[in-house]
Amino acid sequence: DQQVKQNSPSLSVQEGRISILNCDYTNSMFDYFLWYKKYPAEGPTFLISISSIKDKNEDGRFTVFLNKSAKHLSLHIVPSQPGDSAVYFCAASESGTSYDKVIFGPGTSLSVIP
Amino acid sequence: DTAVSQTPKYLVTQMGNDKSIKCEQNLGHDTMYWYKQDSKKFLKIMFSYNNKELIINETVPNRFSPKSPDKAHLNLHINSLELGDSAVYFCASSPIGGTDISYEQYFGPGTRLTVT
Repeated sequence: DQQVKQNSPSLSVQEGRISILNCDYTNSMFDYFLWYKKYPAEGPTFLISISSIKDKNEDGRFTVFLNKSAKHLSLHIVPSQPGDSAVYFCAASESGTSYDKVIFGPGTSLSVIP
Repeated sequence: DTAVSQTPKYLVTQMGNDKSIKCEQNLGHDTMYWYKQDSKKFLKIMFSYNNKELIINETVPNRFSPKSPDKAHLNLHINSLELGDSAVYFCASSPIGGTDISYEQYFGPGTRLTVT
């Protein structure tokens, strides 16, 4: 039972344009959401997070939007750069504390074309 | 300086063998984790330790046993390896433990285990 879904396995975007990666979840108890980026042969690296009390969080070129009623979040990257080409994982947990497991989505592979 | 390191990076072994994967973090974090990334690329939590105490123990066969000699190390022992154990195993750590928001996890580079 997939609690965190990323329905687009891959996405291709031109350099300089906006990349929008989507994530849906089914567990209404999730309160804390994270995005990770992963390059081949490396571990995931943390990108940005958002708690359910917010609907938007911004960090430089990266913005995460949360729509709790729709159980949907998205990651916007603008402008997209070739170095952004990686697999992006959406993740969620009920409290964000060490006592709750983090559930990861299957990932979306982003290719930014120069 | 490597923040979270794992050894070995690649491990090829035969069914029935016992093997260990080591993980060390030099970030001073209290909490450490083991994840398994299967062939479908899902990252699934296996175990987490906070200050050497087991916190999360997912539905993992008893053949998998984590051991935390100190809060900087979390090793994974696997007995009687099976074909289905082939996967990439990631170690991770996070800066805040207990009931505080743990924010992000810092992952190691992964260990690719192949059981033949």
